Amino acid sequence: GAVVSQHPSRVICKSGTSVKIECRSLDFQATTMFWYRQFPKQSLMLMATSNEGSKATYEQGVEKDKFLINHASLTLSTLTVTSAHPEDSSFYICSASIPGGQGNTEAFFGQGTRLTVV
Amino acid sequence: LAKTTQPISMDSYEGQEVNITCSHNNIATNDYITWYQQFPSQGPRFIIQGYKTKVTNEVASLFIPADRKSSTLSLPRVSLSDTAVYYCLVGARMDSSYKLIFGSGTRLLVRP
Repeated sequence: GAVVSQHPSRVICKSGTSVKIECRSLDFQATTMFWYRQFPKQSLMLMATSNEGSKATYEQGVEKDKFLINHASLTLSTLTVTSAHPEDSSFYICSASIPGGQGNTEAFFGQGTRLTVV
Repeated sequence: LAKTTQPISMDSYEGQEVNITCSHNNIATNDYITWYQQFPSQGPRFIIQGYKTKVTNEVASLFIPADRKSSTLSLPRVSLSDTAVYYCLVGARMDSSYKLIFGSGTRLLVRP
């Protein structure tokens, strides 16, 4: 099946620095990718929709200047957490969708990135 | 946006069949129902997807009644490794993108 790869799998950074997380679709082209964050024992919360060649669409309450998303190619989307603070520590997950021939859409998820801000 | 409601948690024993039901009263005509499994510190993994009636694959079955306002994921003969969180999702179409909104999920614990 289709594979979505995230990098890095875990990262520790100092407060005030920026961290970039990459999401790649390895064997298919993804016009749309999604970024989620997940706190311990909670569900995934959709942060933004990343569209190749255009601006990302952010969900309500997500700061677009803090979570920069770039989708420069059909196989790569990046999420940059700018000026990270301890409260940004979380599990970040990306997904990419492939429209199905019958109107369905299948989403494939990366393995996630554990961000710890110290 | 179609919202889903699932039991927060379920307990089972090895070898039993587990049925997890999800309510999605506001499902749209074009929406599919998809179930994902998530282990700690991993991304969700696709289990099964359906539109109506019954779908079966090598790991699970999905039962969808005619009104499509609910669905039931059936896991036959669970093992300890099936302990995970299971999410029922209904895709939302907005602005030509297809967003998946996660509900609370069902935390399944399989005991020996």
